[in-house]
Amino acid sequence: ETGVTQSPTHLIKTRGQQVTLRCSSQSGHNTVSWYQQALGQGPQFIFQYYREEENGRGNFPPRFSGLQFPNYSSELNVNALELDDSALYLCASSLSRGRNEQYFGPGTRLTVT
Amino acid sequence: DQQVKQNSPSLSVQEGRISILNCDYTNSMFDYFLWYKKYPAEGPTFLISISSIKDKNEDGRFTVFLNKSAKHLSLHIVPSQPGDSAVYFCAASGRREGGSEKLVFGKGTKLTVNP
Repeated sequence: ETGVTQSPTHLIKTRGQQVTLRCSSQSGHNTVSWYQQALGQGPQFIFQYYREEENGRGNFPPRFSGLQFPNYSSELNVNALELDDSALYLCASSLSRGRNEQYFGPGTRLTVT
Repeated sequence: DQQVKQNSPSLSVQEGRISILNCDYTNSMFDYFLWYKKYPAEGPTFLISISSIKDKNEDGRFTVFLNKSAKHLSLHIVPSQPGDSAVYFCAASGRREGGSEKLVFGKGTKLTVNP
């Protein structure tokens, strides 16, 4: 059974640029959630995708957007990058959108300069 | 406004002793609670969960206790091992419209188990 994978591992971008982060969910999982973890903080919910549709969103501006594909993999896109977007971005998959444990990938470390 | 609080940034215990990690929450709509462990350069790993209909859940060396009236939960690790040294996150969720399971995390407690 393959776990959650994310790419790239690290990324350095300049303020104002756009970035796309990728996530492959664990085998059999149809729900993907994205979290942002700033230094010294716990992960913060960005949004969740279930069967290719957004299924809940946290307190993040519209320049954070996402996609889920038919194979349940997912992308997180961030436009007009700001310095405060520097963080670890975590993807988590779960069996369904209901009451299930979420399993996390290793994350993508984004640095905005 | 921090809805899930882990007031101890760090905890140090001796190998073989009990580790107790604490977590408080403020939102009475939370009804499902989870603990995750995180090593450096890895994503959080699910440890154990508890539903609000229970007050205790056990899995091997890990036990989670829930006190709903106090809005408090704790994770007990017995006996503690050096490999348990990691950052532990408490997370909570509540029923949402549309069924999405947004997890709300605390800031974490760094546990160090000394040999």
